[in-house]
Amino acid sequence: AQKVTQAQTEISVVEKEDVTLDCVYETRDTTYYLFWYKQPPSGELVFLIRRNSFDEQNEISGRYSWNFQKSTSSFNFTITASQVVDSAVYFCALIGSGNNRKLIWGLGTSLAVNP
Amino acid sequence: EAGVAQSPRYKIIEKRQSVAFWCNPISGHATLYWYQQILGQGPKLLIQFQNNGVVDDSQLPKDRFSAERLKGVDSTLKIQPAKLEDSAVYLCASSPLRSKNIQYFGAGTRLSVL
Repeated sequence: AQKVTQAQTEISVVEKEDVTLDCVYETRDTTYYLFWYKQPPSGELVFLIRRNSFDEQNEISGRYSWNFQKSTSSFNFTITASQVVDSAVYFCALIGSGNNRKLIWGLGTSLAVNP
Repeated sequence: EAGVAQSPRYKIIEKRQSVAFWCNPISGHATLYWYQQILGQGPKLLIQFQNNGVVDDSQLPKDRFSAERLKGVDSTLKIQPAKLEDSAVYLCASSPLRSKNIQYFGAGTRLSVL
């Protein structure tokens, strides 16, 4: 069975701090995709990144960076110099192949960035 | 490019009443999804359409929930009759056929069943 675990339920930081959101996944598929979505208070889920299982290169996009490590089945997300606008719930998700082509979601990590 | 449109944004009904939600996906997106998101949880897929055909409705409570996507564009999700446990946010998402699984979400409809 496939599973996504986001062990951190809530994180609170002060503006300009760096923060890392953890994501650990389980799958037996060799081909799969991992995602991060952001859900601000407005409710809309905003796509942030997709990573396929054959691409372990880390990615940086502005203040956001992602560390994908197949050896530990982790896909962690770091926000550098956090801002109040980063306050949201962040979801990690996984989709497999074959009969597992359904997005499996973690429970989300609620990030509060305080001024 | 316009995003996924959903209406209404909020709905309050009493149990046993009926309710319907509407979704207009991003133009050209063949695949449409309805999710239920209960507070504090990740989204749960209710139904997936590709064009106007159902791909997956295994988690749709078919005794009370129904969905259709006539003409392969807009979609409606209906609950009849509603129960207290149906209180949730109902999210619609769409994706193009060659998106490699990226789903784009609407703002959702927050349903409160009293």
